[in-house]
Amino acid sequence: GDSVTQMEGPVTLSEEAFLTINCTYTATGYPSLFWYVQYPGEGLQLLLKATKADDKGSNKGFEATYRKETTSFHLEKGSVQVSDSAVYFCALSSNDYKLSFGAGTTVTVRA
Amino acid sequence: GAVVSQHPSRVICKSGTSVKIECRSLDFQATTMFWYRQFPKQSLMLMATSNEGSKATYEQGVEKDKFLINHASLTLSTLTVTSAHPEDSSFYICSARDPGTSNYGYTFGSGTRLTVV
Repeated sequence: GDSVTQMEGPVTLSEEAFLTINCTYTATGYPSLFWYVQYPGEGLQLLLKATKADDKGSNKGFEATYRKETTSFHLEKGSVQVSDSAVYFCALSSNDYKLSFGAGTTVTVRA
Repeated sequence: GAVVSQHPSRVICKSGTSVKIECRSLDFQATTMFWYRQFPKQSLMLMATSNEGSKATYEQGVEKDKFLINHASLTLSTLTVTSAHPEDSSFYICSARDPGTSNYGYTFGSGTRLTVV
């Protein structure tokens, strides 16, 4: 079945540091890939998405590229802010429209 | 954009009672909604897929008699935790798929923190 493996956290960074969170997946067919962000006590918000190989999703300075050859969708941001502190989830969706989530990575950015 | 409203945001109930959580799509019709459970510092676990006008599809290991799902209209799905016990305490999140936006039109509610005492 579908599965997502995500870099374990927690990750602690200083402001303006470079952030990368690794995500690899296993799926049948050609899934769509997502990154969601969850702030404390809240639901999930879609951060970015990519629906086919070589697509790059981007939003709020975050980027991730759908790499079919390495089955990866790593999240990156060049200069993080304190407001980026949250839990980040990598996810995929195959033809049945169900979302499969990674375990989540807690990111803390210190001023 | 699409908005999903989930209510209540927090609820405390006594052991043995039932609790109903509502999930509404505010500006679109959702033929399919999903219910997730999230334990502290863990990922979301899909509990069931709720389909308007038909029975919900439960994931393996989820007790359908304990977690009753009703999707009676295109904008409302409810999850009822029956005879709740402390081990049911968790964060429950719903999501709805907007069929007008292909397979990446998922919108999540803000979640319900259930505490059973």
